[in-house]
Formats: sequence, structure tokens, C-alpha cells
Amino acid sequence: LAKTTQPISMDSYEGQEVNITCSHNNIATNDYITWYQQFPSQGPRFIIQGYKTKVTNEVASLFIPADRKSSTLSLPRVSLSDTAVYYCLVVNGTASKLTFGTGTRLQVTL
Amino acid sequence: DTAVSQTPKYLVTQMGNDKSIKCEQNLGHDTMYWYKQDSKKFLKIMFSYNNKELIINETVPNRFSPKSPDKAHLNLHINSLELGDSAVYFCASSGAQGFAGANVLTFGAGSRLTVL
Repeated sequence: LAKTTQPISMDSYEGQEVNITCSHNNIATNDYITWYQQFPSQGPRFIIQGYKTKVTNEVASLFIPADRKSSTLSLPRVSLSDTAVYYCLVVNGTASKLTFGTGTRLQVTL
Repeated sequence: DTAVSQTPKYLVTQMGNDKSIKCEQNLGHDTMYWYKQDSKKFLKIMFSYNNKELIINETVPNRFSPKSPDKAHLNLHINSLELGDSAVYFCASSGAQGFAGANVLTFGAGSRLTVL
């Protein structure tokens, strides 16, 4: 499975847009890019998945360039409740042996 | 509510004891997992079961024994608990390969095990 690299931590003020970039240089043709969010004392929660270009849902947007070697998770107008760890994963057709890295710890303040 | 539920949420025990953590999912998923998240917050897969059959067994001590009575349940039994077993254990599930959601995990809330 492709290894991912993302910043260890980020800080933001409430109301700002936050972009978290993930590098996955060795992504394979049948791999998808998936992001999870983990709040303290909870299990990770799936937030978005994409293969190429742009994907948007009610929580976030995911931007994937043509070469797919990186991706950017965009959180619009963050609030204090978006403080969490965000994990970028590259997955193929199954969830078997998904490897979670250290994630990006996002701290949102007033 | 459709979910992955695990019990107990907190477990404090002495070294050498044997304990179990139970997990149930009502999502109709075929595959269930146990993950361990240590104090450094690394999340590592331990086991994976597909339709009651073990398909992944990472390098985990034999003291850890998963049991899946049916595809909706995956329990984790730990013998002779050690200090290093203290962690949060997460149960998760995913759908059948080839179907939508097969590569997405749904996690339980976690079971925090503290070994004294």
C-alpha cells in the first residue's frame, strides 16, 4: 500500500478555511484516496474518498491533481468542533490492512 | 442506530488477569477488525475476520485471541495481561469486496484498557 506523508499538526482560527495536504507518491492505479477524522476518545470516522479531480460532500472537499501523487482535504469555515486528527490513507478495493499514519492534528481556536 | 458497538468502554485490571472486549455491528458488513491505538496514537491493525474466518493476523502475541461467533460479532480475549497491553482497542467493520463501501471502515467508539 502506498505510504502517505502529511503535516503532523496545523492550527487555525474559527471561520477560516483549512487545507491539509497529503503526499502519496507511490499511489497505484486502482488506489483511492480516503480521509478519516478522529475526535478525542472516539474512533476514526470516514469523511471523504476520491480517485481524481474534485469530490465534495457536506463535510469537506477533496482535491486530487491529475498525477494523483498528492491530495488536499479542504475544510470550509472550520469551527472549534473540527479540532481533531485527520488521517490520509491510500486504499484499494478492500479495507484490509489499512495503515493509519500519524495523521494531522488540527487545532481550531477562537 | 446502525453502528459498531463495543463493550466495555473502559476496563481497568491487574497484570496477569484475563479479559474480553466484545464487538457487534448491525451494518450487515462481512468483514470485522480489531485495531490497537497506543499512547503515541498510532493505530495498528491486529486482526481481520471475513464471514467468521480469520484473514489477517498481524504480529500479535498469542495471548490475544479473537473469536467470531457470527459475521456480526468479533470478540477479543486477552490472556495474562501485561502493562504494555494498555491501549485503546477499536473494533471496525467494512462491506463486502466488490461492493460500495468495501474499502471504508466504520469504527466503534473504542475500549480503553488500563493494566495496572
